[in-house]
Amino acid sequence: AQTVTQSQPEMSVQEAETVTLSCTYDTSESDYYLFWYKQPPSRQMILVIRQEAYKQQNATENRFSVNFQKAAKSFSLKISDSQLGDAAMYFCAYRSRGGTASKLTFGTGTRLQVTL
Amino acid sequence: DGGITQSPKYLFRKEGQNVTLSCEQNLNHDAMYWYRQDPGQGLRLIYYSQIVNDFQKGDIAEGYSVSREKKESFPLTVTSAQKNPTAFYLCASSIGSRVYGYTFGSGTRLTVV
Repeated sequence: AQTVTQSQPEMSVQEAETVTLSCTYDTSESDYYLFWYKQPPSRQMILVIRQEAYKQQNATENRFSVNFQKAAKSFSLKISDSQLGDAAMYFCAYRSRGGTASKLTFGTGTRLQVTL
Repeated sequence: DGGITQSPKYLFRKEGQNVTLSCEQNLNHDAMYWYRQDPGQGLRLIYYSQIVNDFQKGDIAEGYSVSREKKESFPLTVTSAQKNPTAFYLCASSIGSRVYGYTFGSGTRLTVV
């Protein structure tokens, strides 16, 4: 079974600065998808960014980018020019590309605080 | 607008009572999921369904039951056998292609007293 580990329960960043959230995963599969979800105080889960494992290029969405290291099974999220609205819980998630089960496996989350 | 509706937003029940959480989607998604969220534990899968009239247990199915009689609906019943039911419950759905992840509902906070 796949597992996802987020080793930073809490992180803090100053407004306009850059922060990196860590995520590692364990799998024996070679093809899969990785996601970062944001959960603000409203508790609505919002997809931030996704990465397809067979693509070597790191995904980027505006101020959000990932550092995908397939051999190291690492998938970190970089938030540039942090804004107050970025304060939230961030969850890393894994999804197999093949097989019968299409479920997402989540990490335990990192709470990001953004300070002035 | 298409989306997932979970109701109610807050639910209070007495210990020993069964309670059903509603989840409806109008996205025409085939697959639907129920997750439980507790502080420090992330999201844990309770049940999922990839097609109508079929569903599978997730990692923490004990004390829960589901049905999938319609594509749009995937209700979750929290039974009296669930030892610690107080939690935040999230419903999600997805299309066939796994690259798109899930669309989530806004959740139901269940408190058992």
